[in-house]
Amino acid sequence: DAGVIQSPRHEVTEMGQEVTLRCKPISGHNSLFWYRQTMMRGLELLIYFNNNVPIDDSGMPEDRFSAKMPNASFSTLKIQPSEPRDSAVYFCASSLGQNNSPLHFGNGTRLTVT
Amino acid sequence: GEDVEQSLFLSVREGDSSVINCTYTDSSSTYLYWYKQEPGAGLQLLTYIFSNMDMKQDQRLTVLLNKKDKHLSLRIADTQTGDSAIYFCAESIPQAGTALIFGKGTTLSVSS
Repeated sequence: DAGVIQSPRHEVTEMGQEVTLRCKPISGHNSLFWYRQTMMRGLELLIYFNNNVPIDDSGMPEDRFSAKMPNASFSTLKIQPSEPRDSAVYFCASSLGQNNSPLHFGNGTRLTVT
Repeated sequence: GEDVEQSLFLSVREGDSSVINCTYTDSSSTYLYWYKQEPGAGLQLLTYIFSNMDMKQDQRLTVLLNKKDKHLSLRIADTQTGDSAIYFCAESIPQAGTALIFGKGTTLSVSS
């Protein structure tokens, strides 16, 4: 089992640039989650999908953030334009999508916006 | 609204027991979880408890739930240096669907 795969592991970019983070969930999982981790705010849920459909995007901080899930094996989180305050570790997680299905996390993408 | 609170740091000596505490506000929580995060890695599920249970034991881990006080604790017996990590409490609530609401995490430091 390959687990949840995120890329890149690290991303350093300049303010104003577009950033795209990628996630491949565990095969057979039908729920996918994007979280952001910072020292100040801890782990924040940004958005999650069930069966490729966005269910709750109320955690997306601004219109600069967008997420897509074109198929069951791939999702992207895009920030355009990026700002220094977006610097954080972004985690993708997937689950079977049932009650008490544990979330399986990827190793995260550490984003630094200068 | 939902909110999960944890103390930020805990320091123990190797061989001692560690107790990490968590409080939550949403009484409709169905499941409560403990996750562990090691440096540079994602979160790994340690254990969970259903909201109608008071206690769950899993090897060195004991979870206690006081639903009246909305208090959850994780006890690690015979703490080892390999237990040093960040521990997150999380709750599953109906209005969040299958998503989890996490606390900010407790950093456990184990000295030998």
